[in-house]
Amino acid sequence: DVKVTQSSRYLVKRTGEKVFLECVQDMDHENMFWYRQDPGLGLRLIYFSYDVKMKEKGDIPEGYSVSREKKERFSLILESASTNQTSMYLCASSLPLAGATDTQYFGPGTRLTVL
Amino acid sequence: GQQVMQIPQYQHVQEGEDFTTYCNSSTTLSNIQWYKQRPGGHPVFLIQLVKSGEVKKQKRLTFQFGEAKKNSSLHITATQTTDVGTYFCAGKKTGSGNTGKLIFGQGTTLQVKP
Repeated sequence: DVKVTQSSRYLVKRTGEKVFLECVQDMDHENMFWYRQDPGLGLRLIYFSYDVKMKEKGDIPEGYSVSREKKERFSLILESASTNQTSMYLCASSLPLAGATDTQYFGPGTRLTVL
Repeated sequence: GQQVMQIPQYQHVQEGEDFTTYCNSSTTLSNIQWYKQRPGGHPVFLIQLVKSGEVKKQKRLTFQFGEAKKNSSLHITATQTTDVGTYFCAGKKTGSGNTGKLIFGQGTTLQVKP
């Protein structure tokens, strides 16, 4: 059974702080993703990674960076948190099987509040 | 950029009534997936459709992929309170290779009145 874990369920930070959100998957998946979820906007892709040290911008990368030093771990970094980054952050992973299902497995989410 | 539009955003039904949510893509998709997110939970994979015109069923849930591979629907027959949640479609862009990148619709939140 695939397990994706995230470092915190709830996080409260102050404006200007540097914030690290960590995600770990235990199924040797190549692909990992960071989304933010806001009411009425669905899941918006921030960054994704298809291999160690490889990363690509998603639809809303501004204000975020990522790090993938090990295959199982994908970190999302808010360099200087702002109130408009208050959101639910979801991490996901998948296998890159061409022609087969590339189901994404999601972590439980981190609800970040920036004051 | 490519978008996947999903309607309606919200749906309230009486238990026992049917429910349908629709997804439309601006371009052809190689496949479409459906996920369910229970209140307070995270999205969980339900099904993937790959072939043009494909129809799949899971008990009371029927999933369809359009002939042009640009639209999809999820229909629930005789809703139950356990169906409550947000349903997302997610399309894989043709030619996106093995990155696994999906484009998610905005989701349809279903409320069921007992």
